[in-house]
Formats: sequence, structure tokens, C-alpha cells
Amino acid sequence: QVQLQESGPGLVKPSQTLSLTCSVSGGSITNGGHYWSWIRQYPGKGLEWIGYVFYSGTTYYSPSLKSRLIMSVDTSQNQFSLNLTSVTAADTSMYYCARVTSNSFDIWGQGIMVTVSS
Amino acid sequence: QSALTQPASVSGSPGQSITISCTGTYSDIGTYNLVSWYQQYPGKAPELIIYDVLKRPSGVSNRFSGSKSGNTASLTISGLQADDEADYFCCSYGGTRFWLFGGGTKLTVL
Repeated sequence: QVQLQESGPGLVKPSQTLSLTCSVSGGSITNGGHYWSWIRQYPGKGLEWIGYVFYSGTTYYSPSLKSRLIMSVDTSQNQFSLNLTSVTAADTSMYYCARVTSNSFDIWGQGIMVTVSS
Repeated sequence: QSALTQPASVSGSPGQSITISCTGTYSDIGTYNLVSWYQQYPGKAPELIIYDVLKRPSGVSNRFSGSKSGNTASLTISGLQADDEADYFCCSYGGTRFWLFGGGTKLTVL
């Protein structure tokens, strides 16, 4: 079955760029029935939708993050990525990648904790 | 858009039924039948248990059910079991390709 795995640095300095990759296994990212999304969870528990990307490269971003966010897809590697610029301590979160099917997030990665600190 | 509103905690005894509410606005829950619910155990990723308000993914127990009335969606768990103790999150489409989550509800099985 399809599995997702996040990778990237666990520590990012303030004002720098947070870069994460999600590797998809057990299925093709070019399956047109799905979007590929990023979601983060604050230490206090709340979830926040960040955005999602289609295999064609079409992206949709949360309005609150849109000015700092770039998402992309690499079909040759079966991966999709997130780049969040100008990070602050408020961006410290657990970051999850997830598959979108039938208007819900049906498969999630295990998550990666990212701390913004100097 | 603001996050959806859930109670911080609910509790129930084994065998009982509990209901978790999720309140949004006319712009999200009130307009779209695109509410989903997720179960999360400590240290684990959330898992989908309800989508499109009331549909269950394959493999999810029929003790979990969803509904919606106006701007409020609800998750009901019947025949409460010890391993239902977890955090539960609601999510709704908010229009213009935007998704909203609730703040989460901690379920305690007494």
C-alpha cells in the first residue's frame, strides 16, 4: 500500500528556509486521483493545513502562509517538497505530508519535528 | 478563516456513547459536505476515520459515525472501548481550495 515518509533537517535557524521532502512509495505520485499535501501540528496539538500540490505542479496554499511558501513535485523521484522561507519560532511544529483523496487526508507520513532556533 | 471549534475534552465509560462536536461557519461546514474526522494516538500521525461527513474508510469500525446539522458536524463513538482513548480532530473544506482543522478533542475512557 501507499506510504509517505518525510525527510529534512530537524533544526532551522530563524530567518532561514525550511525545506522538507516527502517520498511516496507503493504507488505513483502521478495518479491523477490524488493531491499531495503538507500539514503541521503545533506543540499544543492544533493542526494547520499548509497547502497541496498536484503532480502537474499546480499548487494551492494556505492564505496565511502563501507569501513564504513554495511547494513542488518531482515525478521522477516520486517525491514532493515544501520550502517555507523566513521562518520564525512560530514555525516550530511537527510537519506531516499527506495524500488527499475524496476531499480528505487519507494517508499520512509519520511526521518530522522541525524546531526553529538559533 | 478561523479554526473549527471543538471541545477540549470529553469522557465516557466503556460501552457508552459519546459525541464530539465541531462548529464552523456557513462558509465552511454550513456550505460543504466535506467534513472529515481523524483519530490520533500520542506520538503517532492522525488517521482518517470519517470523510464526506458520514462515510467510513474501509477497515474503520462502524462504532464511529458522523453527521452534520447547519454549521456543526459531530462524531459519535458508540460502544466505547479503552483503545478509543485518543485525540480527535475535525476538518472541513473552507472553499477556494482551503482546508480548516479543529483544535482537537481529547477523549478519555473512564
